[in-house]
Amino acid sequence: EPEVTQTPSHQVTQMGQEVILRCVPISNHLYFYWYRQILGQKVEFLVSFYNNEISEKSEIFDDQFSVERPDGSNFTLKIRSTKLEDSAMYFCASSETRTALQFFGPGTRLTVL
Amino acid sequence: DQQVKQNSPSLSVQEGRISILNCDYTNSMFDYFLWYKKYPAEGPTFLISISSIKDKNEDGRFTVFLNKSAKHLSLHIVPSQPGDSAVYFCAASAATGTASKLTFGTGTRLQVTL
Repeated sequence: EPEVTQTPSHQVTQMGQEVILRCVPISNHLYFYWYRQILGQKVEFLVSFYNNEISEKSEIFDDQFSVERPDGSNFTLKIRSTKLEDSAMYFCASSETRTALQFFGPGTRLTVL
Repeated sequence: DQQVKQNSPSLSVQEGRISILNCDYTNSMFDYFLWYKKYPAEGPTFLISISSIKDKNEDGRFTVFLNKSAKHLSLHIVPSQPGDSAVYFCAASAATGTASKLTFGTGTRLQVTL
């Protein structure tokens, strides 16, 4: 069964460093998303991406964040200068159509020291 | 901004009995609702969904009920099994914009006991 994959599973970084989280969405999906879950809190929407551009972004998704689909398979989230409060699980998701259900990857645990 | 609320942080049910998980929402623009199950250190796994044009959707042991006038939905699991023990998230989306973001509730931890 097709699935969304994410790498790395765990990333530890120093405050101020740049990190890139990688995702491979399901191959025939056209809509891509990033969500995050801070420990003990709910899953929060960060950004949606379609047709090589951002569709919508939340207040969390400030200038420190960027997304890219560098090739036909990968979808990346970059945090330019990490802060302690960026520590969270980051989930990538994809969907076939705009209103279809979203399939989630296993997540990347980001720890900022 | 709690547009989707799950007021019960936890629920314990005996194996074989019914589990009922509840979810309330405030945004009347939501038109598609989903339940996801999540184990620790894993991503949310889709369980069942319902469109706002329906009031019930059933898939095996899982049934979702939607009461639009009350802005309430519930997930029924019958019979409950120990493998159902997980955190259940209610999520909602609105058909606005190019891609539909999901708004999640805070989750309910279900424990199915033997």
